[in-house]
Amino acid sequence: TQLLEQSPQFLSIQEGENLTVYCNSSSVFSSLQWYRQEPGEGPVLLVTVVTGGEVKKLKRLTFQFGDARKDSSLHITAAQPGDTGLYLCAGARVSSGSARQLTFGSGTQLTVLP
Amino acid sequence: NAGVTQTPKFQVLKTGQSMTLQCAQDMNHNSMYWYRQDPGMGLRLIYYSASEGTTDKGEVPNGYNVSRLNKREFSLRLESAAPSQTSVYFCASSERTGSIYEQYFGPGTRLTVT
Repeated sequence: TQLLEQSPQFLSIQEGENLTVYCNSSSVFSSLQWYRQEPGEGPVLLVTVVTGGEVKKLKRLTFQFGDARKDSSLHITAAQPGDTGLYLCAGARVSSGSARQLTFGSGTQLTVLP
Repeated sequence: NAGVTQTPKFQVLKTGQSMTLQCAQDMNHNSMYWYRQDPGMGLRLIYYSASEGTTDKGEVPNGYNVSRLNKREFSLRLESAAPSQTSVYFCASSERTGSIYEQYFGPGTRLTVT
């Protein structure tokens, strides 16, 4: 059982469309991070959210942390082919006792078609 | 500034063979990690090292050993490889910023055990 459930697992859209990726859990997280991974490479950190209800923007990407710190979403406006990649959410569970240990979701594979 | 480097990039082993995956970081980070990534499973933590001289088990430590050689280097050893250890292995490092540990990943080692 995945502690962090991501949906959808796969998403294929046309350039210019908007999309939202979800990351859900029954556990509470002290912080939640989003990474993007391209083929043959390691994940690269996009953002960290810490406070319940927090919203962060990174150009066309908007990240939100749920009020109860159990879920998060990533919204991309006007997607571009360069946004193609595997998006991973990862959280530091309060119950783990260590902010070092991240629990990763299984990822959302996004393909943006030109 | 190379960040996190891993060697080798690819490796094929036969069942029962042993090998060591090498990882080094030049960011002067205290914490280092080893993950494996399997399709549909996200990244799972194998072992981590909070600081030089310490190591701790993660979610899936069975069949692996680690050594934190110094602050820069953290190696992962498979003593007797099994087909179930076919995976992509990522090393990461992190430093604490407030209550957050943001992780930086290497490019990965693709291991096949036949």
